[in-house]
Amino acid sequence: QVQLVESGGGVVQPGGSLRLSCAASGFIFSAFGMHWVRQAPGKGLEWVAVIWHDGSKQYYMDSVKGRFTISRDNSKNTLSLQMNSLGADDTAVYYCARVGPGGWYGDSWGQGTLVTVSS
Amino acid sequence: QSALTQPRSVSGTPGQSVTISCTGTSSDVGGYNSVSWYQQYPGRAPKLMIFDVSKRPSGVPDRFSGSKSVNTASLTISGLQAEDEADYYCCSYSVTYNLGVFGGGTKVTVL
Repeated sequence: QVQLVESGGGVVQPGGSLRLSCAASGFIFSAFGMHWVRQAPGKGLEWVAVIWHDGSKQYYMDSVKGRFTISRDNSKNTLSLQMNSLGADDTAVYYCARVGPGGWYGDSWGQGTLVTVSS
Repeated sequence: QSALTQPRSVSGTPGQSVTISCTGTSSDVGGYNSVSWYQQYPGRAPKLMIFDVSKRPSGVPDRFSGSKSVNTASLTISGLQAEDEADYYCCSYSVTYNLGVFGGGTKVTVL
């Protein structure tokens, strides 16, 4: 079955960097687009970034443009999110999700990894 | 990104039907059949309940149904059960951002 496992979260100081990873299994990773979605404590969901199945296109929410980079390694079935210049507003649980076949939605989600930006 | 508009909370007794609205614009909900709905329990990852406005993934009970009219999408839970008590989020593709935009979430309470 589809499995997505995030890692890399933790506590980082304001202005710092962090790299999140998402290990995918149970499906042909290279055939699906992938998302990163985040949820601040007690808040709603935000779509952070999406990457095409072949990595040819990436799109970001306005507040992370120029700071975050989504990438993927289809040979290792791994999705990544490089986060730089982190601020308190980036504190959240970060989920990776698979783009559903033929559509725009997340049909499978990981359990999430918590990023805390604090001094 | 501006969120889609959902009611903060809805409630019902077991067996009743409840409907959650999700209002957007012609740049998202009204312009595309890319509305999806997610159920989330506290401390858990979201789960896809409806995609492409009204399609149900395998394993989702047929008590859950989706629809859309102009710029407003709706999720209806028929025959409400205690296990349906959770947060529900709508989402739509937005041509403005080339990303999904979420609603603020609706807490469903089973009285």
